[in-house]
This record gives sequence, structure tokens and C-alpha cells, in this order.
Amino acid sequence: TQLLEQSPQFLSIQEGENLTVYCNSSSVFSSLQWYRQEPGEGPVLLVTVVTGGEVKKLKRLTFQFGDARKDSSLHITAAQPGDTGLYLCARGRSSGSARQLTFGSGTQLTVLP
Amino acid sequence: DAMVIQNPRYQVTQFGKPVTLSCSQTLNHNVMYWYQQKSSQAPKLLFHYYDKDFNNEADTPDNFQSRRPNTSFCFLDIRSPGLGDAAMYLCATSRGDRGYYNEQFFGPGTRLTVL
Repeated sequence: TQLLEQSPQFLSIQEGENLTVYCNSSSVFSSLQWYRQEPGEGPVLLVTVVTGGEVKKLKRLTFQFGDARKDSSLHITAAQPGDTGLYLCARGRSSGSARQLTFGSGTQLTVLP
Repeated sequence: DAMVIQNPRYQVTQFGKPVTLSCSQTLNHNVMYWYQQKSSQAPKLLFHYYDKDFNNEADTPDNFQSRRPNTSFCFLDIRSPGLGDAAMYLCATSRGDRGYYNEQFFGPGTRLTVL
């Protein structure tokens, strides 16, 4: 299966707390993307991870690609209300057109001031 | 700035009344996509164009059609909107090059309300 499972589905935290969002699959993927979608807007690409074990940082966001390339995580340090949004992981499909993405189920994050 | 533009941002239509949503891009990307997204869910791909080559998803209802008259523009036509078609409709683009990671660039979306 090419399904991507994200957890948790919903997360509500206070400003300043840390959090981690997970994206898991039973199959290996060659690359994985993370998007953030703010309320009422389209998703925006945050990062693409390609190499097993890779770690990328984007200010307070840290993205990790699992060694076996079956999972990824997004860690946010000292969350702020501006981090509120729907976080989506996505991978290219392994069948059919490689131009399509399979999205995870999403994590809805709310950061309370 | 290069971008993906969607018009209108909000669209209200009546049950059964045809509606057209539009998308334009200045990125000169080969691929344009239409997604349907319902509250707090992941976007669901309806179809995409690679240049003029149309690719429909197997579970996209016939009620949804698309046109791409040129590289920059793509339209989503809903022939007879039902209450269940109320959603956010997202347009996206990507380069579509082989070996590329298929990173997609999304427009801000059109929120469709069906009365």
C-alpha cells in the first residue's frame, strides 16, 4: 500500500510548547514532502527530504527522514500561534504517473496564545 | 513574483447551476492539478494536465470537467453542483520533469458554497 498515516490527527497546544508530528508508511519512498496549510489558504511546501536519515531545519522546524525511508517526522520547537495550520506529508506515487502525489491524512495543529 | 492565482476566492452557486472556477500560473510549469478539499482533510486529486494531456482520477465524478486552453490557464467546470460538492477547490502546478521530486505549488483556493 502507498498509504501515508499521519499522527496525531489533531493537536492543540499552548504557545511555547514543543511538538512532533509523524508520517508513516509500510513501503519505502524515494522522497517525501511536508506542506503547511494555513486556514483559508492553499498548502505551501516546507521541505523535501530525499536521503535516509536526513535532517533538515527550517527555523524552529526540524524535519527528519527515517533511515529506512518509510517514515518522517516534523518537530516544532517553541510553537507560536502562527504555526497553526494543517500539516501534510506527501510522497510521489509509485504507480501510474509519477506526477501525482499521495497525501497523508494531515495533522491539524492549533497553537493557543 | 511567480505564482498560482485562483479566481474567485469565494463562489456561491445554486444546486444544479453550472459553475466554473479558474486558475492561472506564471511559473510556466508543465503540469496543472485540480484538488477538492473538505474541512481538515487532505486534498483529493480530481485530475491533472501534463501540457495538453488530460489525466482523470478513476473516482472523479463525471460532473467534474476541466479545460486547459494554454500553458497558463486551467478551468474546473462543475456541471450540476450538488450539496456534497461544497468544498475548497485547490489548483496546483509542478514542473513535471522526470526525476524531479514533483514539488507542487498551490493557489489560495476557491471556497465553493452550494445553496
